[in-house]
Amino acid sequence: AQSVSQHNHHVILSEAASLELGCNYSYGGTVNLFWYVQYPGQHLQLLLKYFSGDPLVKGIKGFEAEFIKSKFSFNLRKPSVQWSDTAEYFCAVNLNNAGNMLTFGGGTRLMVKP
Amino acid sequence: GAGVSQSPSNKVTEKGKDVELRCDPISGHTALYWYRQSLGQGLEFLIYFQGNSAPDKSGLPSDRFSAERTGGSVSTLTIQRTQQEDSAVYLCASSLGLDRRNSPLHFGNGTRLTVT
Repeated sequence: AQSVSQHNHHVILSEAASLELGCNYSYGGTVNLFWYVQYPGQHLQLLLKYFSGDPLVKGIKGFEAEFIKSKFSFNLRKPSVQWSDTAEYFCAVNLNNAGNMLTFGGGTRLMVKP
Repeated sequence: GAGVSQSPSNKVTEKGKDVELRCDPISGHTALYWYRQSLGQGLEFLIYFQGNSAPDKSGLPSDRFSAERTGGSVSTLTIQRTQQEDSAVYLCASSLGLDRRNSPLHFGNGTRLTVT
């Protein structure tokens, strides 16, 4: 069965530090990739998504992610984090033959210290 | 409403009791999904509806879990004879359709279920 792995469960950074959250998936076929964010007390929101084309995807709030097919990875990056980026981040995969259903990773809790 | 609405937001129940969780999707959204988020784990897909039909129920953890959707709108997730391992946040999402490119999922705030 397909799975999604997020290597870091907890990340603590100071403001202005650079961020990279890892995401790997196990599936050999065509996939669509997503990053969702859940701010404290709020619902899950879509940060960015990749379907095809340029493997470097830019999302909201200065986030970007790069799809590296050979590494089955879709890491999330931000050059300079802010305190307001404190949240839980989820990577998700949608298989090409799975309609709109998503398989999520375990999530990474990011805390940004002011 | 403006977003996906779930009720109750919190539910504490005794082991062995039945619970019903409700999801009100965004108006016009034909697809509805239930996920479960257990402590320290990712989101686990449970079931989805296209209209009132649930084509795939294989994600439901056991036969104590059931879900229905009526009128192509509100959905209820029912857990019978609750067990402590059912404690989790139950998330509902809806989308305009099943086209993954043009129908992003919109999530509700979830129902936090605690079974004592």
